Amino acid sequence: GAGVSQSPSNKVTEKGKDVELRCDPISGHTALYWYRQSLGQGLEFLIYFQGNSAPDKSGLPSDRFSAERTGGSVSTLTIQRTQQEDSAVYLCASSLGLAGLWDTQYFGPGTRLTVL
Amino acid sequence: AQSVTQPDIHITVSEGASLELRCNYSYGATPYLFWYVQSPGQGLQLLLKYFSGDTLVQGIKGFEAEFKRSQSSFNLRKPSVHWSDAAEYFCAVGAKGGTASKLTFGTGTRLQVTL
Repeated sequence: GAGVSQSPSNKVTEKGKDVELRCDPISGHTALYWYRQSLGQGLEFLIYFQGNSAPDKSGLPSDRFSAERTGGSVSTLTIQRTQQEDSAVYLCASSLGLAGLWDTQYFGPGTRLTVL
Repeated sequence: AQSVTQPDIHITVSEGASLELRCNYSYGATPYLFWYVQSPGQGLQLLLKYFSGDTLVQGIKGFEAEFKRSQSSFNLRKPSVHWSDAAEYFCAVGAKGGTASKLTFGTGTRLQVTL
């Protein structure tokens, strides 16, 4: 079946502009995760969704970052007033969302964001 | 809070040689441990995972890893490396809370394979 898809694959924007990144999880996966991968920082957890709610937003770096998920499926990560330090690859992952058990996260190919 | 250290940023091995990538973790409870591989332009692919039981875990593509609690390590090994194994490898520790399966990653080790 189809894996996790993300769009766009690449995004170049000017400092101060807003950007939206999209994630389509694997069908039937109720849990969705956003991570950021930047040079020297490795992979950082940003936010987690269970269904449409976000119980854990602890990784969002500032209030310029927000995310939503609708219909328990597609998620968008929005960065307002982008800064150069926001340049990174943004990865989305999804999993079945099983309570009490570990479930494997499946990752999308990522969106490479470059802020000029 | 959990953390992962991958001390080797870059490793070069010859094709056919053996490989060991190091990973050390810090976690208060019994850890869930993972190795992921990321090829250029690709997403992260799970190689193997450790939850409990046998400390030697077999994964895909001929990889294995050994959990050593006394050393807080989960090193990845392969007996004979292929050129297609050139990629970046990430070790991760997982924390389970309710339905959240949150991963903390190391900074990665880039593997180069020479022919």
